[in-house]
Amino acid sequence: NAGVTQTPKFQVLKTGQSMTLQCAQDMNHNSMYWYRQDPGMGLRLIYYSASEGTTDKGEVPNGYNVSRLNKREFSLRLESAAPSQTSVYFCASSDQQLVGNTIYFGEGSWLTVV
Amino acid sequence: AQKVTQAQTEISVVEKEDVTLDCVYETRDTTYYLFWYKQPPSGELVFLIRRNSFDEQNEISGRYSWNFQKSTSSFNFTITASQVVDSAVYFCALSGSTGGFKTIFGAGTRLFVKA
Repeated sequence: NAGVTQTPKFQVLKTGQSMTLQCAQDMNHNSMYWYRQDPGMGLRLIYYSASEGTTDKGEVPNGYNVSRLNKREFSLRLESAAPSQTSVYFCASSDQQLVGNTIYFGEGSWLTVV
Repeated sequence: AQKVTQAQTEISVVEKEDVTLDCVYETRDTTYYLFWYKQPPSGELVFLIRRNSFDEQNEISGRYSWNFQKSTSSFNFTITASQVVDSAVYFCALSGSTGGFKTIFGAGTRLFVKA
């Protein structure tokens, strides 16, 4: 019953450092997503991958890069972390990127940039 | 453009009270889906319900019920006889073809249920 697994769960970075958030799903889903959650702003889409081999920008892509490594894995990279990237990051997946497909989320990664 | 508005930032109730969480959406799509998710204090996001735009029947699941009204573009969520375990942040979300089928979320409503 793993579903969507993301690591690490907690991370503290210094400004300018880089890091990669890892995500894997075992539901054989085609589409994967990275969201960030900030107080009062709900969840905002950073990047998504509609299917293996494709990635697209979401609402707030600046400062991030992604890699869809294979059907199961979708990583998010911060090349030069900034305090504005302090947030909770959620990886998610859905069967297809279609209207109405339910998105299933990982447990979140709490990132602090100091 | 698509938008989801959850005007209630925080709600506080006493256990056993009924509480309604409001969700108002905007879309030009004729086919769209609405969702509710729950985020308990542990932080994970739990899917609660999905409803498509052609089905305006209210839905009840135990103490949870949802009222979908296209005429007012609302998809409200009611918890009957609230319990402390209902304390969480609740998100309403919308998925439509405008914007490439991406699901967009409201800002969330934090519910406190006091014993």
